[in-house]
Amino acid sequence: DTEVTQTPKHLVMGMTNKKSLKCEQHMGHRAMYWYKQKAKKPPELMFVYSYEKLSINESVPSRFSPECPNSSLLNLHLHALQPEDSALYLCASSQGRRAMLGYTFGSGTRLTVV
Amino acid sequence: DAKTTQPNSMESNEEEPVHLPCNHSTISGTDYIHWYRQLPSQGPEYVIHGLTSNVNNRMASLAIAEDRKSSTLILHRATLRDAAVYYCILLASGSARQLTFGSGTQLTVLP
Repeated sequence: DTEVTQTPKHLVMGMTNKKSLKCEQHMGHRAMYWYKQKAKKPPELMFVYSYEKLSINESVPSRFSPECPNSSLLNLHLHALQPEDSALYLCASSQGRRAMLGYTFGSGTRLTVV
Repeated sequence: DAKTTQPNSMESNEEEPVHLPCNHSTISGTDYIHWYRQLPSQGPEYVIHGLTSNVNNRMASLAIAEDRKSSTLILHRATLRDAAVYYCILLASGSARQLTFGSGTQLTVLP
């Protein structure tokens, strides 16, 4: 299995809703990442998990709450989002801290906040 | 973090080679040069990476200048499926590494 699987592919939520995005990989990768991508812009890093511990939080608002229950799963819990949070949310994984190896990205969850 | 500079857009004809340039004049000795591409409505896809020597894989070739201040991604025979945004990214070794995207080059392949 050489994929990162993200669910759901599309999500529409109201500003008072609570929802979660899920990311799964079975490549034995020990680093996992959340990125946010607005239309026609490059992906922006949100969070980095290394060996199931949060190692980087790029000053993301607390309405986004990441969770790494085990080495294969990464969740992003969403609460009280704003319409400007509408974007493509991408999950990625890599083997770890060795820079010579590439990242594997999922296809993303397209989130619309209404 | 060291930055990269890429042209905003490039065009190529189908079945012809494409050379995508990237400048990274402030690269440090431990930075790896990575290339990713993002096809429409998909997540980024790893293409190739290198440190000092030129690299080849099934997708592309990476030519790295001797002073490492620039590199070129070479697609040997462009197809319509190669139309994408191509990102050149410097990735530091060590525990603090993270993939930071610049604006990339939008490649259009003309039939």
